[in-house]
Amino acid sequence: TQLLEQSPQFLSIQEGENLTVYCNSSSVFSSLQWYRQEPGEGPVLLVTVVTGGEVKKLKRLTFQFGDARKDSSLHITAAQPGDTGLYLCAGKPGDGNMLTFGGGTRLMVKP
Amino acid sequence: DADVTQTPRNRITKTGKRIMLECSQTKGHDRMYWYRQDPGLGLRLIYYSFDVKDINKGEISDGYSVSRQAQAKFSLSLESAIPNQTALYFCATSEGGNEQFFGPGTRLTVL
Repeated sequence: TQLLEQSPQFLSIQEGENLTVYCNSSSVFSSLQWYRQEPGEGPVLLVTVVTGGEVKKLKRLTFQFGDARKDSSLHITAAQPGDTGLYLCAGKPGDGNMLTFGGGTRLMVKP
Repeated sequence: DADVTQTPRNRITKTGKRIMLECSQTKGHDRMYWYRQDPGLGLRLIYYSFDVKDINKGEISDGYSVSRQAQAKFSLSLESAIPNQTALYFCATSEGGNEQFFGPGTRLTVL
């Protein structure tokens, strides 16, 4: 059983649509990170959230950390083909020092 | 030039063979990590090192060993490869417990 569950696992949408990806856990995290991974490359950090209820925006991407610091969401507005990739959330447990990764959401945005 | 490099990028080997994957970094980070990635399982931590000569087991260390020969180098060995070790392997570095920087990955196939 994974500590961090991501949903959906796969998402295929048309250019211009909006979407939300979820990252859920029963554990509390001191911080949570979102990475994007493109084929043939390693993951690249998009954002880190550390405060319960925190919302961060990165152009068309909006990241939210749950009030209880157990979950997070990534919302993409007007998706573009360049948003295609694997989105991974990773949390640092409150009593730990290492990142735990979710299973990822594979997004495909069709032109 | 890439900050985190991995060699080889692709490797096909046979069951029972010894394999070594190399990772080098020019970021000057103390912390280095080895992960494996399987579809739907995200990234799982194999081993990590906080400094030269410091070695720590991760979530799935059985069947693997590592060596931290210098601050910039962290190698992963499979003493006797088996087919279920077929996966994508990533090396990463970080400064403290913050953002992790990933290499491009090594695709390993064990026949």
